[in-house]
Amino acid sequence: EAGVTQFPSHSVIEKGQTVTLRCDPISGHDNLYWYRRVMGKEIKFLLHFVKESKQDESGMPNNRFLAERTGGTYSTLKVQPAELEDSGVYFCASSPTGYYGYTFGSGTRLTVV
Amino acid sequence: DAKTTQPPSMDCAEGRAANLPCNHSTISGNEYVYWYRQIHSQGPQYIIHGLKNNETNEMASLIITEDRKSSTLILPHATLRDTAVYYCTPRARSNYKLTFGKGTLLTVNP
Repeated sequence: EAGVTQFPSHSVIEKGQTVTLRCDPISGHDNLYWYRRVMGKEIKFLLHFVKESKQDESGMPNNRFLAERTGGTYSTLKVQPAELEDSGVYFCASSPTGYYGYTFGSGTRLTVV
Repeated sequence: DAKTTQPPSMDCAEGRAANLPCNHSTISGNEYVYWYRQIHSQGPQYIIHGLKNNETNEMASLIITEDRKSSTLILPHATLRDTAVYYCTPRARSNYKLTFGKGTLLTVNP
């Protein structure tokens, strides 16, 4: 089966610009998650979708971050406007409902200059 | 959420068993223990999980102490490709959130 796909793999933008990250989960996985690793820090949870609904967005750092999951399929994470501290690697993962392991994508490396 | 403690680094000879410990003394009765690893800068890779019984799959074995305060991930025959940062993380039944700590950097040496 195809894995979790993230696009783009790398993005370099200027402070104040907008960037949209995309995640295509494994087909049939109702759960979709966003995590990120800021340089030198641990991997942190951002939010969790069940189908198209936000189940938990307690990890979203501020209102410059907006996540959507259209029709319960792919998801986008928009950062507007981007700040220097938003630089890091953003990971998306998906899983079926229940006690299964999550499948992570390869990540999007975001650099804000 | 339960806090976890792992050694920052470990070494293992290729072909030998790698035993990676994790302390989760504050884990609650409804929290599973999940293990993931991150090879270089790739996305985390799921390895195994358990609640209170020992578990085994094609990648590894998971031994959980009877009091559930700690667990050990066992890679029975480590290879160079197993060099990675290994994370143990609790996950509650009602909460899908994973909490990654600093993990253990396992280096498999030839």
